Amino acid sequence: ETGVTQTPRHLVMGMTNKKSLKCEQHLGHNAMYWYKQSAKKPLELMFVYNFKEQTENNSVPSRFSPECPNSSHLFLHLHTLQPEDSALYLCASSQDLAGWYNEQFFGPGTRLTVL
Amino acid sequence: TQLLEQSPQFLSIQEGENLTVYCNSSSVFSSLQWYRQEPGEGPVLLVTVVTGGEVKKLKRLTFQFGDARKDSSLHITAAQPGDTGLYLCAGYNNNDMRFGAGTRLTVKP
Repeated sequence: ETGVTQTPRHLVMGMTNKKSLKCEQHLGHNAMYWYKQSAKKPLELMFVYNFKEQTENNSVPSRFSPECPNSSHLFLHLHTLQPEDSALYLCASSQDLAGWYNEQFFGPGTRLTVL
Repeated sequence: TQLLEQSPQFLSIQEGENLTVYCNSSSVFSSLQWYRQEPGEGPVLLVTVVTGGEVKKLKRLTFQFGDARKDSSLHITAAQPGDTGLYLCAGYNNNDMRFGAGTRLTVKP
């Protein structure tokens, strides 16, 4: 138990569906991150939030839309996805951006399958 | 682009054997982290190294950061089945963090 929870743990959706992934951290951290982990590929950083403000968007397609209503919660809204978007989506948090290089805590991930 | 290459990609050994996995890059990193990820879970941080030539030990695991801060190694002594997992390295520099694709280690009893 890392203090970062993600729901749902598994999600199957069609290309025309709209769904959302949720991440919650109970660590009092101020920075939160979304990563994509595809088979045999390095983790790809998608979005970075610091004190609820988005500080980085690594050229992620607009069919992925993040939302950070407060420092404890992070969402990833999904719409019109493609089969190649099937992956494990990981949320992480750190004390702040300065703590990113020192220690970040990952959630268990949401395994997404796009049919 | 700061690419991190990890080798080997897969490693299967018997309990009690020693092993070393590598993380190499042509880029310099201000810090480098090693994680272990088990099936169905997110990565868990093992260690962070920040100084060139630094060596850190965590029980049977020894981590070394290269003198030029471009590469790192993880050595496991007397591997146990509980060491099985995906070992990831991640380099940080200039507000950017990059991960390697990982080494998948299987330790057979």
